[in-house]
Amino acid sequence: AQSVTQLDSQVPVFEEAPVELRCNYSSSVSVYLFWYVQYPNQGLQLLLKYLSGSTLVESINGFEAEFNKSQTSFHLRKPSVHISDTAEYFCAVSALRDAGNMLTFGGGTRLMVKP
Amino acid sequence: NAGVMQNPRHLVRRRGQEARLRCSPMKGHSHVYWYRQLPEEGLKFMVYLQKENIIDESGMPKERFSAEFPKEGPSILRIQQVVRGDSAAYFCASSPRTVSEAFFGQGTRLTVV
Repeated sequence: AQSVTQLDSQVPVFEEAPVELRCNYSSSVSVYLFWYVQYPNQGLQLLLKYLSGSTLVESINGFEAEFNKSQTSFHLRKPSVHISDTAEYFCAVSALRDAGNMLTFGGGTRLMVKP
Repeated sequence: NAGVMQNPRHLVRRRGQEARLRCSPMKGHSHVYWYRQLPEEGLKFMVYLQKENIIDESGMPKERFSAEFPKEGPSILRIQQVVRGDSAAYFCASSPRTVSEAFFGQGTRLTVV
């Protein structure tokens, strides 16, 4: 079984400041790693994913996450946030044997960007 | 290509009634997943279905909950004799095959009064 811990339930930050949303996982098997974003009253949208290869993955809107196997972490970062980044962010993992789609989610981190 | 469609978006049921939640996957997607999001919590996996088959239902409560994905038509998550604790957002996701991105619907928010 896998578990995911998102250490911060809420992260307030000023616009244009950098942000890091932390995610740690535990698993006895190899996993795929994901970050999803949920805007109010909407479904989840995939932000970025790590399946294999380079441990640093990037999204099209400036977010990046680095897979650290030794620390079992997959923290999400953005060097300069915008008001429009205000949303709930979920880290998720899936065991390779589950083929990447039966996801175990963390509890979520609410990013609140203030002007 | 429309995204994953869930309906209704909002559903209110009285205790003891039945709730039926529908999910139409994206065109060409034969894998469907249901998740439940309780208030102030992350999503929890419930069930994984392919056409006419339940592949994994390890996250489904043992009683009152059932899911199907018939050969024709949407996937249905059915909750019988709803209780207040069933109030949650239920999300469906679909993918075309294994080891590929799952696309989520906008969810059905069930309120039991």
